[in-house]
Amino acid sequence: DQQVKQNSPSLSVQEGRISILNCDYTNSMFDYFLWYKKYPAEGPTFLISISSIKDKNEDGRFTVFLNKSAKHLSLHIVPSQPGDSAVYFCAASLDSWGKLQFGAGTQVVVTP
Amino acid sequence: KAGVTQTPRYLIKTRGQQVTLSCSPISGHRSVSWYQQTPGQGLQFLFEYFSETQRNKGNFPGRFSGRQFSNSRSEMNVSTLELGDSALYLCASSSRGGAGYGYTFGSGTRLTVV
Repeated sequence: DQQVKQNSPSLSVQEGRISILNCDYTNSMFDYFLWYKKYPAEGPTFLISISSIKDKNEDGRFTVFLNKSAKHLSLHIVPSQPGDSAVYFCAASLDSWGKLQFGAGTQVVVTP
Repeated sequence: KAGVTQTPRYLIKTRGQQVTLSCSPISGHRSVSWYQQTPGQGLQFLFEYFSETQRNKGNFPGRFSGRQFSNSRSEMNVSTLELGDSALYLCASSSRGGAGYGYTFGSGTRLTVV
């Protein structure tokens, strides 16, 4: 039962433009949402998180938006840089210590 | 500071054998989680340990087990290996509520079962 879904397997964006990654979830009890970036042959790297009591969180070039009524979150990367080319995973947890449930990932390619 | 260290990086085993993977968390981190990544199933949660106690367990058969030592280092064991156990096994650690502050992942152990 896939409770966290990333429906776009890939995204291509020009350097300097905005990258928007989307994630949908089905369990309204999720309390935390996270985004990770993964390069080949490396473990995922934590980018940013948001709790269910907020609707936006920013950290530098990364902003996460949460729409609880739509059970939808998105990650905005502005501006996109070549080093952002990686697979991005969204994840959700029922509590601050709970197991993370990951989406399938979105491959982002930033072109010059 | 040193990151999460997983050993070995690569492992080839034969069906029916057992395997033990090791994870050393970031110093001071008391929570250790394990995940399996496969092309078909993606990243799936195996279990989480905190202060030597298993706090959470995923939907994996009993062949998958783990433990955590008093120094927070963790091991996971897979017995009677099957071809489908071939995967990247990732360990992650956190000092506090990981979901709120983000777990730090190691580079993983690539297990190939032949």
